[in-house]
Amino acid sequence: AQSVAQPEDQVNVAEGNPLTVKCTYSVSGNPYLFWYVQYPNRGLQFLLKYITGDNLVKGSYGFEAEFNKSQTSFHLKKPSALVSDSALYFCAVRDGNNAGNMLTFGGGTRLMVKP
Amino acid sequence: NAGVTQTPKFRVLKTGQSMTLLCAQDMNHEYMYWYRQDPGMGLRLIHYSVGEGTTAKGEVPDGYNVSRLKKQNFLLGLESAAPSQTSVYFCASSYPTGLAGAETQYFGPGTRLLVL
Repeated sequence: AQSVAQPEDQVNVAEGNPLTVKCTYSVSGNPYLFWYVQYPNRGLQFLLKYITGDNLVKGSYGFEAEFNKSQTSFHLKKPSALVSDSALYFCAVRDGNNAGNMLTFGGGTRLMVKP
Repeated sequence: NAGVTQTPKFRVLKTGQSMTLLCAQDMNHEYMYWYRQDPGMGLRLIHYSVGEGTTAKGEVPDGYNVSRLKKQNFLLGLESAAPSQTSVYFCASSYPTGLAGAETQYFGPGTRLLVL
């Protein structure tokens, strides 16, 4: 079985400070990892994904994430937060060795960036 | 391109009523999905389709049916709505890449459903 955990329901950060949104996963095969963002009353928007290769993945809007196999983590980061980054963030995982498995989402983390 | 669109945006149903949610995509994607989003639970897959005329069950399929008669459309039906089906429903689509499972999903704006 595959699963993903986002241990923080909410993350608060001041504008201009670095931000981290945590994600840990569990799969039996190779993990395919995704981050999506959801703004109020909108659908999810793709930010970035890790499939293979470089552990540091760069995505949209200045976000990046680091794949850490030993810690089974894929934390989302940004060096300098903007108020407009305030949104709901979802991590998702899929077992790359099992084509029958679909995407499993975490419960989401609300990011609040204060001016 | 409009991307993925969903109709209606909001609907209120009484217990036992039926309705159909429509998802349309203009990106010529092979794969389409229906999710429901409930607070604290992320998105859970209801049904999905890997091509026109094919459908498959996801994690929470009970109480829902789907059809994919045309490649661009994916319909989600509730035959007899229950209060437990109050949720926000999202449709998504994707296209196959060289690596199965690595495709990015593109989401619609959602349909908010309230069952009384």
